[in-house]
Amino acid sequence: AQTIHQWPVAEIKAVGSPLSLGCTIKGKSSPNLYWYWQATGGTLQQLFYSITVGQVESVVQLNLSASRPKDDQFILSTEKLLLSHSGFYLCAWSGQGGAEQFFGPGTRLTVL
Amino acid sequence: QQKVQQSPESLSVPEGGMASLNCTSSDRNFQYFWWYRQHSGEGPKALMSIFSDGDKKEGRFTAHLNKASLHVSLHIRDSQPSDSALYFCAASGNTGNYKYVFGAGTRLKVIA
Repeated sequence: AQTIHQWPVAEIKAVGSPLSLGCTIKGKSSPNLYWYWQATGGTLQQLFYSITVGQVESVVQLNLSASRPKDDQFILSTEKLLLSHSGFYLCAWSGQGGAEQFFGPGTRLTVL
Repeated sequence: QQKVQQSPESLSVPEGGMASLNCTSSDRNFQYFWWYRQHSGEGPKALMSIFSDGDKKEGRFTAHLNKASLHVSLHIRDSQPSDSALYFCAASGNTGNYKYVFGAGTRLKVIA
């Protein structure tokens, strides 16, 4: 069975500080990976997707970047946090484009 | 303008009742439609997909798609308190498309 793990569970950071969030998928070879941002009670905004190691496509520009250093790992980062970055960050995987996505438990980010 | 619009924003139904959620897309490039459910503090989980015109039934859940009007609906019969959650309609292109668009969500409350 496939499992998806996100870290950390929650973060409280200062405006202007750097950020790194991680996601690991086990039990699935060459998954398609995705990052989403969700405001409290709001919709999911797709941020990035990756089809293969080393390749990441940006869907919307929010002063964030993403990388895929390994087949099973997806990293979301920024060098300088903004207040608007606060929210719930979700990592997901799918077997192919357009297919069902499986979401991780999420990371709650609070920027003060 | 959001490409996937959901209604109503919130909905209350009695336990054992029928809940009906609606979704309309404004983009004819969308081929696949999904319903996801998200309980508070968790990542969303896919309930069901629908790709063809007509009805699709899975247990207490029935989805309906009208491709001509790009209208998708989800009906939950015999609603249970555990069905109380945020429901999202999501749309994507064909299997070669890795972009997903989510609606704003419908918050369902099932009253015991």
